[in-house]
Amino acid sequence: GQQLNQSPQSMFIQEGEDVSMNCTSSSIFNTWLWYKQDPGEGPVLLIALYKAGELTSNGRLTAQFGITRKDSFLNISASIPSDVGIYFCAGITGNQFYFGTGTSLTVIP
Amino acid sequence: NAGVTQTPKFQVLKTGQSMTLQCAQDMNHEYMSWYRQDPGMGLRLIHYSVGAGITDQGEVPNGYNVSRSTTEDFPLRLLSAAPSQTSVYFCASRKGTAQYFGPGTRLTVL
Repeated sequence: GQQLNQSPQSMFIQEGEDVSMNCTSSSIFNTWLWYKQDPGEGPVLLIALYKAGELTSNGRLTAQFGITRKDSFLNISASIPSDVGIYFCAGITGNQFYFGTGTSLTVIP
Repeated sequence: NAGVTQTPKFQVLKTGQSMTLQCAQDMNHEYMSWYRQDPGMGLRLIHYSVGAGITDQGEVPNGYNVSRSTTEDFPLRLLSAAPSQTSVYFCASRKGTAQYFGPGTRLTVL
């Protein structure tokens, strides 16, 4: 299957700091998505990207669809404790979703 | 709307036992999927369905069966549980790129 690599694997940051994470693939995707998963819950969609180069924001979150269509980036500004969780990227090709390995974010108050 | 519901939330099985994980959605979505989530491996697609009566294999289908007799329900069957099937299982339904996940079933196979 398609392999999506996310980095970093985990992050420990102070409240108020900005966060950056990325997702890369050896394959091209037509759509990139970013999800957040809270402990004991299913992933929840944060942002969807549909065009190469697209930059989309959702509150303090900003995501970009890479020009090569093989990568995507997620930034969180001014982190708060409730940002804690695992962030997953996903690429869509055909009718299937392929998920990254996740970035675990810990925010220290 | 309840969204996507899954039962049970937790399950412990012995090797060789069979069981069915239930999934239901009330959003009238045609597309439903089952994923498993293992540490360090993200979510991997087991089976999916594009509508009632239609199912297909995903990335890791071995050891699992599905059926889709109604739009609402998409059960996942483990035929003969193995320790390698210890995982967290998520059901999802989708409309376009908006995919909604259930709360998950944490399965342990001893």
